Amino acid sequence: KNEVEQSPQNLTAQEGEFITINCSYSVGISALHWLQQHPGGGIVSLFMLSSGKKKHGRLIATINIQEKHSSLHITASHPRDSAVYICAVPFNSGNTPLVFGKGTRLSVIA
Amino acid sequence: DGGITQSPKYLFRKEGQNVTLSCEQNLNHDAMYWYRQDPGQGLRLIYYSQIVNDFQKGDIAEGYSVSREKKESFPLTVTSAQKNPTAFYLCASSIEAGGDTQYFGPGTRLTVL
Repeated sequence: KNEVEQSPQNLTAQEGEFITINCSYSVGISALHWLQQHPGGGIVSLFMLSSGKKKHGRLIATINIQEKHSSLHITASHPRDSAVYICAVPFNSGNTPLVFGKGTRLSVIA
Repeated sequence: DGGITQSPKYLFRKEGQNVTLSCEQNLNHDAMYWYRQDPGQGLRLIYYSQIVNDFQKGDIAEGYSVSREKKESFPLTVTSAQKNPTAFYLCASSIEAGGDTQYFGPGTRLTVL
């Protein structure tokens, strides 16, 4: 079974700072997911990536398949970015349901 | 609008009662999932269904039951056998099972008194 580790668990930043959240997993995968959970509980998918880098607005996700590691970056952070960011990977190397990390709670202070 | 709906948002039940949580999607997705979220823990898979009339247990299926009689609907019953049912329950769907992008409902917060 894939094991997912995220760091840090909690992160407080000043508005405008560059944010990095890390995710490591134990079993080779076809794709990794980054999700965002808002304070009300709703979850939205941010990225699904299998190699290289993806960018959406101020969010950038990178993945290193060989090192089994991914990072989520937020440029010019804003208080509205405050949320829990979750990394998820398939259960194993096959076409299986996702396993989720415990999440990183980000607070951006104005 | 396409999406996933869960109802109700908050649910209170007495200990020993069964309770059914609703999940409906109009995205025409084949796969549907139920997750449980507890404070400080990641989402844990309860059950998932890849196709109508078929479903598989996840990591924590004990004390729960599901049905998938229609493509759009995947209700979850929390039975009295579930030892600690108070939690936040999330339903999701994807085009296919596996590593596909999942779309989540707003969740139901269940409190057992």
